[in-house]
Amino acid sequence: AQSVTQPDIHITVSEGASLELRCNYSYGATPYLFWYVQSPGQGLQLLLKYFSGDTLVQGIKGFEAEFKRSQSSFNLRKPSVHWSDAAEYFCAVGAIEKSSGDKLTFGTGTRLAVRP
Amino acid sequence: KAGVTQTPRYLIKTRGQQVTLSCSPISGHRSVSWYQQTPGQGLQFLFEYFSETQRNKGNFPGRFSGRQFSNSRSEMNVSTLELGDSALYLCASSYTGLAGLSDTQYFGPGTRLTVL
Repeated sequence: AQSVTQPDIHITVSEGASLELRCNYSYGATPYLFWYVQSPGQGLQLLLKYFSGDTLVQGIKGFEAEFKRSQSSFNLRKPSVHWSDAAEYFCAVGAIEKSSGDKLTFGTGTRLAVRP
Repeated sequence: KAGVTQTPRYLIKTRGQQVTLSCSPISGHRSVSWYQQTPGQGLQFLFEYFSETQRNKGNFPGRFSGRQFSNSRSEMNVSTLELGDSALYLCASSYTGLAGLSDTQYFGPGTRLTVL
């Protein structure tokens, strides 16, 4: 069964500092990986996704993530954090069983706070 | 293009009642998935529908059910509500519901259900 681990529950960074959120996955084959962001009281917004090809993926809002198969990781990065980035971030892995339809397995999330 | 819409946004029910939540997918999307989000369990997959057929189901009791209409709109129903059913219920839509075809799920804002 697929699983996702986000080891950091809370992270606080200063505005303008760099950010890295960790994500480790467990899956038997090539995974399809996603990062979503959720602001308080809102749904999930897709930041970026990895299906295949280039292991460095660019997303919206200046975020990027790097897929490292050898480490089973898909860490999210941003070179300079803005106060508006404060939110909860979820890493997810997608099932690829073509007969059974979509099923995302999510990590427990990392809540990001930004110091002014 | 309009996003995924969910109605109602907020709902308060009492134990033992039943509730129906509605989800309208992005135009052209034929797959609709439902997720439950709680502070304790995080984001958990409920079920996925495609062309009015349930293709995938998570580990939830039979009190949780759903259906999809010919226009791809979906409803989920929870019967005999329990306090633990209080959660944010998120709906997501995609074209095919198959991540293996480089598809992506887009989420609605959710319905906040409170069971008293």
